[in-house]
Amino acid sequence: GENVEQHPSTLSVQEGDSAVIKCTYSDSASNYFPWYKQELGKRPQLIIDIRSNVGEKKDQRIAVTLNKTAKHFSLHITETQPEDSAVYFCAARGRNNNDMRFGAGTRLTVKP
Amino acid sequence: DGGITQSPKYLFRKEGQNVTLSCEQNLNHDAMYWYRQDPGQGLRLIYYSQIVNDFQKGDIAEGYSVSREKKESFPLTVTSAQKNPTAFYLCASTSDRYFVGYTFGSGTRLTVV
Repeated sequence: GENVEQHPSTLSVQEGDSAVIKCTYSDSASNYFPWYKQELGKRPQLIIDIRSNVGEKKDQRIAVTLNKTAKHFSLHITETQPEDSAVYFCAARGRNNNDMRFGAGTRLTVKP
Repeated sequence: DGGITQSPKYLFRKEGQNVTLSCEQNLNHDAMYWYRQDPGQGLRLIYYSQIVNDFQKGDIAEGYSVSREKKESFPLTVTSAQKNPTAFYLCASTSDRYFVGYTFGSGTRLTVV
């Protein structure tokens, strides 16, 4: 099955700076890569996703890039704000819907 | 509440007790999942179900049981065989017809007392 590694585990940035979180996956057949944001004690919420036929996707201050050859994908947050502080999870779907694997999470802190 | 409801929000279990966590969705999703979340370990799959009256073990099914008698409902029982049940439990659902990722419930925090 799929295996996903996520780095860094914690990230602290100043308000207005950019933040980058990276994930690698193992299954070359994986074709769907979502990113979730989870605030303390709350449910993970999908913030952006990318499919394997696309190299980059952007939604306002958030972007995701995918390198299928290297089997890694990254989340980029620009102009960070204190409300961006949360735990971010990457995930990769393997050969079927039930083979979704999550990274261990990155705790992002944006300092005002 | 996002179409998928978990209850209770907090649950306390005594040693040797079985407890059941509820998960209900009104999204008409085919597939439902249970994940366990521990600090620093991400989400680990306990059980999943793609269709009524059928379910499959995930990576950490030991000490847990589920049922899927209705499409909308996928309760999880944490049995006394689960030696370390203190964790945050998340239920999720998705449509098999067009996969757009999971919709998560708000979670149940289970604590052993």
